Order: sequence, then C-alpha cells, then structure tokens
Amino acid sequence: GAGVSQSPSNKVTEKGKDVELRCDPISGHTALYWYRQSLGQGLEFLIYFQGNSAPDKSGLPSDRFSAERTGGSVSTLTIQRTQQEDSAVYLCASSRSPPPAYEQYFGPGTRLTVT
Amino acid sequence: TQLLEQSPQFLSIQEGENLTVYCNSSSVFSSLQWYRQEPGEGPVLLVTVVTGGEVKKLKRLTFQFGDARKDSSLHITAAQPGDTGLYLCAGTARTSGTYKYIFGTGTRLKVLA
Repeated sequence: GAGVSQSPSNKVTEKGKDVELRCDPISGHTALYWYRQSLGQGLEFLIYFQGNSAPDKSGLPSDRFSAERTGGSVSTLTIQRTQQEDSAVYLCASSRSPPPAYEQYFGPGTRLTVT
Repeated sequence: TQLLEQSPQFLSIQEGENLTVYCNSSSVFSSLQWYRQEPGEGPVLLVTVVTGGEVKKLKRLTFQFGDARKDSSLHITAAQPGDTGLYLCAGTARTSGTYKYIFGTGTRLKVLA
C-alpha cells in the first residue's frame, strides 16, 4: 500500500514569507506526527495529532508555527514569516494508533531552505 | 526532561568489522524502536522491543532491550557498506499522565568498502 507522502519535496523561500507543508498519512492511521531535522542532527518533535485534534503541541518552536489536520487524514504545517533558522527537513510520520503505540512510518520529508 | 543519549555519535569502520551502538536513558520506556535513515529519506523502522531483556535479531543486526527498560543496544556483525546511515533509537515514556515519544540523538555510521 501507499506510504506517507509529503509535498513539496523541496521548498526555497525568502525570509519573511509564509510556507505550507503537506502530509498525507497512510490510510487508516489515526495518529500523525511532525518533526524537524536540521542537517546531520536527530529529530525534533513538533506536534502530534490524534484524529483532527492535537493533544500535544509542546514542540512547536514559536507562534509562527501552526498545524492542522482535516478529515482525520491530510495535515498541513504552516510557518509564518519564515526565518533562516527555520531551514531544515520537516518530516511527517503516521502510526496506526496513538501513544503508547509505537512503530511510526515516515515520509521522505520536505527540505525547507529560507534565504 | 527525558533524554535518549546515543553513543557513539559518529562511527567509521571497515567492511567486515563488528560494531555496537548504545542508547541510554534515566527514564523507563514502555517500548523502544530502532530506525535507520539514509540521506534524503525519512527514518525506516528496523525493530521494536517491549520486554526487559528482550533480544531480537534481524539478519546481521542484533537488538537488545535492557532489563530495566532504560537502555538498548544495536550490534551489527560483519558490517557492509549498505549499513551506512543514521541510526536512531526512539522510545515511549509516560510522564505526568501523558505519553511522550522521544528520539535519541543519533549515531551516524559509515562503513568503508
């Protein structure tokens, strides 16, 4: 079956612009996660959805970051007024059920470059 | 704050050598996963361990969960260039009534032919 897909695969934007990153989880997976990974680093948790609600937004680095999920499926991560420090790979993952379940399946990521 | 510390951070070895990567925490995890990530791709799940002392084997990879469920190790026998990548451990821990899924700091492995 289809895996997690993300779009765009690459995004170059100017400082101060807004960007939207999209994630299509595996069909039937109720939990969805967003992470950020800087070059050569580990994963930084941003936000987790169970269905359309976000029980844990603790990882969002500032109020410029927001995310939503509609229909229990597609999710969009929005970064407003982008800054150069926002440059990173943004990874989305889904799992069949929420924590403490495990086994997250990741998309290929969106590489964001803020110039 | 729960942390999953991995060691070593970087490892460069020759093909055919053996290696062990460690994942340590002061917190107890209800389960722990190991992932491998290759450049330009998302992490791919390798294994899940849930029972203290559990050992799982995946071809040349052996995974162990510590008895107290606070640590784990990944041992690779006769490493091959295809094993090159970023290895990440991750675990589920419960604090203050909520579950957190935490990724380790990562071990970047390079296997030279």
